Amino acid sequence: AQTVTQSQPEMSVQEAETVTLSCTYDTSESDYYLFWYKQPPSRQMILVIRQEAYKQQNATENRFSVNFQKAAKSFSLKISDSQLGDAAMYFCAFRGGSEKLVFGKGTKLTVNP
Amino acid sequence: ETGVTQTPRHLVMGMTNKKSLKCEQHLGHNAMYWYKQSAKKPLELMFVYNFKEQTENNSVPSRFSPECPNSSHLFLHLHTLQPEDSALYLCASSQDSPRGNTIYFGEGSWLTVV
Repeated sequence: AQTVTQSQPEMSVQEAETVTLSCTYDTSESDYYLFWYKQPPSRQMILVIRQEAYKQQNATENRFSVNFQKAAKSFSLKISDSQLGDAAMYFCAFRGGSEKLVFGKGTKLTVNP
Repeated sequence: ETGVTQTPRHLVMGMTNKKSLKCEQHLGHNAMYWYKQSAKKPLELMFVYNFKEQTENNSVPSRFSPECPNSSHLFLHLHTLQPEDSALYLCASSQDSPRGNTIYFGEGSWLTVV
């Protein structure tokens, strides 16, 4: 069974600085997708970014980018120029052949003004 | 607004009550999901419906009964729940549920069982 591990329960960053959230996963599959979701206090899960495992190029979405290391099974999220609105729980998720979306336990990000 | 609407947003029920959670998606998707989010636990997939047919039941107790009358609506019927069932229940939808398609979530229904 696939597992997703987020080793940082909490992180903090100063406004305008850069922060990296870690995620590792375990799978024997070669074709899969990885996602980062954001859950603000409103509790709505919002997709931040996604990565196809067969693509070597790291996905980017404005201030959000990933460092995808397939051999190491690592999928970290980098947030540049952090804003107060970035404060939320961030969940890493994996989706493979079973089509289940498997989530990590999340990282709580605090942005300090 | 992601196009997935859940009602009610908050529900308090006794252990002998029967209640239902409702989810509606306006995205034209074919697959719908129920997830449970408890404190200090990863999100747990409960049920998956694909074209109104249940394709996944993740060992969920029978006191939770899903219903999917059409591709746009999904219900979770609740009966004789336990206090440990108190959690945030998230509905989601996607197109056809192939692995790459993004899953869109609703804002969740907070359930408290007393």
